[in-house]
Amino acid sequence: AQKITQTQPGMFVQEKEAVTLDCTYDTSDQSYGLFWYKQPSSGEMIFLIYQGSYDEQNATEGRYSLNFQKARKSANLVISASQLGDSAMYFCAMREGLIQGAQKLVFGQGTRLTINP
Amino acid sequence: SQTIHQWPATLVQPVGSPLSLECTVEGTSNPNLYWYRQAAGRGLQLLFYSVGIGQISSEVPQNLSASRPQDRQFILSSKKLLLSDSGFYLCAWIRGAGELFFGEGSRLTVL
Repeated sequence: AQKITQTQPGMFVQEKEAVTLDCTYDTSDQSYGLFWYKQPSSGEMIFLIYQGSYDEQNATEGRYSLNFQKARKSANLVISASQLGDSAMYFCAMREGLIQGAQKLVFGQGTRLTINP
Repeated sequence: SQTIHQWPATLVQPVGSPLSLECTVEGTSNPNLYWYRQAAGRGLQLLFYSVGIGQISSEVPQNLSASRPQDRQFILSSKKLLLSDSGFYLCAWIRGAGELFFGEGSRLTVL
């Protein structure tokens, strides 16, 4: 079963508009973490934002915010005032507890975001 | 500051040839290290992780192996490459709440 589901394979948004990238997750753990990464065409993976399962407030990092709805098991990424440089693949990921001393992240399939001028 | 590097950046290899991708981390000690593979247009699949020298855990059965000969060195290998081994390989280390920091990636094409 998919642990992380990103239902939007691609999105097209006008520059300066806000955009929401969807992510739902599946876990029975009480303690877990949710992450978003950006992958430009260069291939590097850039960490954007983190939300812990016990965090009561939504995480924010500059223009990025994470809309965490625990009961619905969703962790959507919101990018405000989009810029051309935001065009990239975006991946949602989840860490479930500790396994054999190592924390492992499971990734979704990604959403390709294109910002139009 | 901590940095992570991997090489080579690009590799084109014939089927049946060996493979060695290297990853090193600087500025930290005893990191948890990871190898992920990304097929074209797909998400990341965890291949191996290591919590210390000589300690390797494999996530999926495959044609690849990993080794950790030194604290900050993680190597991905194959004795005989398959076409299906083509992909983008990413090394990463983990810190804090569990965020992964990735190397630049190695793009492997098997012909």
